[in-house]
Amino acid sequence: DTAVSQTPKYLVTQMGNDKSIKCEQNLGHDTMYWYKQDSKKFLKIMFSYNNKELIINETVPNRFSPKSPDKAHLNLHINSLELGDSAVYFCASSAWELPYEQYFGPGTRLTVT
Amino acid sequence: AQSVTQLGSHVSVSEGALVLLRCNYSSSVPPYLFWYVQYPNQGLQLLLKYTSAATLVKGINGFEAEFKKSETSFHLTKPSAHMSDAAEYFCAVSDLPPSSNDYKLSFGAGTTVTVRA
Repeated sequence: DTAVSQTPKYLVTQMGNDKSIKCEQNLGHDTMYWYKQDSKKFLKIMFSYNNKELIINETVPNRFSPKSPDKAHLNLHINSLELGDSAVYFCASSAWELPYEQYFGPGTRLTVT
Repeated sequence: AQSVTQLGSHVSVSEGALVLLRCNYSSSVPPYLFWYVQYPNQGLQLLLKYTSAATLVKGINGFEAEFKKSETSFHLTKPSAHMSDAAEYFCAVSDLPPSSNDYKLSFGAGTTVTVRA
């Protein structure tokens, strides 16, 4: 029973297209995140949501729009895809209490051609 | 501001040898520190965490890390490497407790561990 799931696992698309990545967690956590991992494996937070409310937006281009329909889901929509958007995108969730662990999804590998 | 430096982007060890991965942090307040492991084509999995309790922290798979405030370090060790330890390892830091609205993790650049038979 997967704790944090993402779909799709792989996404290949052309420049200029619009795409979405979906994330769901069944852990009952209040907070969810999107991270971007570049080709050098560097991980950087993009957004965090707490109970459907945007908390952190790390100077991400406004082509990226997260949406949280409920606290178990956090989707990422990307408009006008660019070559530089190619990366692995990870969703994560955490609770506001011990053990403070962030649980990560398996990642979505986005390739923009 | 919080940041993490992982010394050595790649570490190669023999099976059965000591694994030592270095992590130094920068934080203006007592930090929350974490080590995560990423196996190929998978998400990140928490190995262990320091949250101001014991300075020597034991994690999963035989790993442990020691928080040294004077050295601003949180190095990860495992006495005897196993082939299954081959993965990417990330150190992460947060200035704020996870109960804070602005809680976020800052990750190091990662260290790739390869294990030689």
